[in-house]
Amino acid sequence: AQRVTQPEKLLSVFKGAPVELKCNYSYSGSPELFWYVQYSRQRLQLLLRHISRESIKGFTADLNKGETSFHLKKPFAQEEDSAMYYCALQGAQKLVFGQGTRLTINP
Amino acid sequence: GAGVSQSPSNKVTEKGKDVELRCDPISGHTALYWYRQRLGQGLEFLIYFQGNSAPDKSGLPSDRFSAERTGESVSTLTIQRTQQEDSAVYLCASSWDRPMVDNEQFFGPGTRLTVL
Repeated sequence: AQRVTQPEKLLSVFKGAPVELKCNYSYSGSPELFWYVQYSRQRLQLLLRHISRESIKGFTADLNKGETSFHLKKPFAQEEDSAMYYCALQGAQKLVFGQGTRLTINP
Repeated sequence: GAGVSQSPSNKVTEKGKDVELRCDPISGHTALYWYRQRLGQGLEFLIYFQGNSAPDKSGLPSDRFSAERTGESVSTLTIQRTQQEDSAVYLCASSWDRPMVDNEQFFGPGTRLTVL
């Protein structure tokens, strides 16, 4: 079965501090993993995908198959990063989302 | 280009009434998803349509909830005998559905349902 776990429902950090949003997955095959973001009053949208190994808005995420993790990181948080973040896994069937982490960046 | 659209954007109804929510996916997208997002909560999967296959209804919370999709186009989510706990934002998303390929989901703006 496909499962995504985001252990932190809420995360609060100060501006300029590093931020890490945790994501662990369960899947027997080779997964495709994503991070989606929902800013206040905006649509949910794709932030980044692991296959492209890109950095978007300063965020990166590395797939660690040994630890079955795909944590989202940014070295220096900015106030505009405050949003709801969802980790998602594409297996053989449907895309499965975690429960989300609400990130708040304090000034 | 045109994205995923949903209507109505807001719906206020009385407890016990039926409501119908509509989703127009991006043209050509074969996969369509419905989610529920309660205030301050995460995404709750409801139902998934994939081409001509039988829909995955495993997320529907009760038999008061049902959804249909006409071919690979519009979908409607129906909630019968609404309850106050049905109050939430209902999100629709569509994507390509190609095996072993990244299939980004594109989300609609949502329908905010309030049951009084």
